[in-house]
Amino acid sequence: DAKTTQPTSMDCAEGRAANLPCNHSTISGNEYVYWYRQIHSQGPQYIIHGLKNNETNEMASLIITEDRKSSTLILPHATLRDTAVYYCIVMKRFGAGTRLTVKP
Amino acid sequence: GAGVSQSPSNKVTEKGKDVELRCDPISGHTALYWYRQSLGQGLEFLIYFQGNSAPDKSGLPSDRFSAERTGGSVSTLTIQRTQQEDSAVYLCASSLEGRLNTEAFFGQGTRLTVV
Repeated sequence: DAKTTQPTSMDCAEGRAANLPCNHSTISGNEYVYWYRQIHSQGPQYIIHGLKNNETNEMASLIITEDRKSSTLILPHATLRDTAVYYCIVMKRFGAGTRLTVKP
Repeated sequence: GAGVSQSPSNKVTEKGKDVELRCDPISGHTALYWYRQSLGQGLEFLIYFQGNSAPDKSGLPSDRFSAERTGGSVSTLTIQRTQQEDSAVYLCASSLEGRLNTEAFFGQGTRLTVV
């Protein structure tokens, strides 16, 4: 009963913006979208969350479409340490995640 | 400690045995979550506790799995008659409240190996 769909993998050049999409077409009106990431063998780490409006914090920006059926996580200046699996979460259910590889 | 604590960090058990996994959430956090992660896979939701409300057990894969949360704090995930497919990392998380707009903090997990 996956609630989210993400690409399996993406590459990004170091210093460039990484844009990670997520589809969540069955999201209900009061459900937040969360993004977490998991670096090899560690527990997931919170990145950002949002409901309707775009959000920005020190780690990333989150763009949510007006119909709320999809969102994009933006890492504005990716570094090698951002290499990880990025998960989009709705209703406590994790998607399969996107493996982001930042290349020098 | 300040974070979510899970024990044991590693557990090897024989097929058919019962196991108990423990989670100590962050003090004051009323919401607690259990997930499992098989090798190379994403996180699979198992169960969610929020205060005194009935837990959301919709993710438990079979009746061999159960979880309790005593006193609104420590939680124990029990797997009865373990099978090899139960081998995974079991992750616990807690959050300040069960409201939808709070961040969850994860423990480092218990790696369960069923032989």
